[in-house]
Amino acid sequence: DTGVSQDPRHKITKRGQNVTFRCDPISEHNRLYWYRQTLGQGPEFLTYFQNEAQLEKSRLLSDRFSAERPKGSFSTLEIQRTEQGDSAMYLCASSFLAEELNFGPGTRLLVL
Amino acid sequence: EDKVVQSPLSLVVHEGDTVTLNCSYEVTNFRSLLWYKQEKKAPTFLFMLTSSGIEKKSGRLSSILDKKELFSILNITATQTGDSAVYLCAVPYDKVIFGPGTSLSVIP
Repeated sequence: DTGVSQDPRHKITKRGQNVTFRCDPISEHNRLYWYRQTLGQGPEFLTYFQNEAQLEKSRLLSDRFSAERPKGSFSTLEIQRTEQGDSAMYLCASSFLAEELNFGPGTRLLVL
Repeated sequence: EDKVVQSPLSLVVHEGDTVTLNCSYEVTNFRSLLWYKQEKKAPTFLFMLTSSGIEKKSGRLSSILDKKELFSILNITATQTGDSAVYLCAVPYDKVIFGPGTSLSVIP
């Protein structure tokens, strides 16, 4: 399967714990995006990379969130000291420049 | 601030009806507009529109862009229950901004 993959698909954690999600984009895509989506809302932009450079990070994103794409291939999104409000679906997408985004299946996070 | 607005936010129709979904945008350096369909999983791509007035079609779905008035519409004819989903409009310029989506429910 050459689509975008995300791991894990589901994560349940206790408030205050750290979590890390991984995204493997389509190999020839140079852009990688992270979004957060809650029920009834459209995907909310978090951050994006072009190759290994993080070009923009949402101003809504607290310092507890950090993302990396160390070799311009896979990316990780870490949330430190999770809060119940972090419960959401975290979507990763990749594209070649700012064209059609191909989404992964998402990681559903539940913070208890 | 750049934004994408969709209307209506929700819609309930009967099978066989035709629906029109709206998307308007205010974005600097506009290049294209994307439509996605989202069922109970990640969004799947429908259309990319770059030029005004040129209709894109895929089966019962069609879409058109008006760059002068800064909006796009997505039409679905002869709706089926399988069309029930959230339809998302997005505008990529560097990051990609999504609208809130239109939740469509098609009832038999």
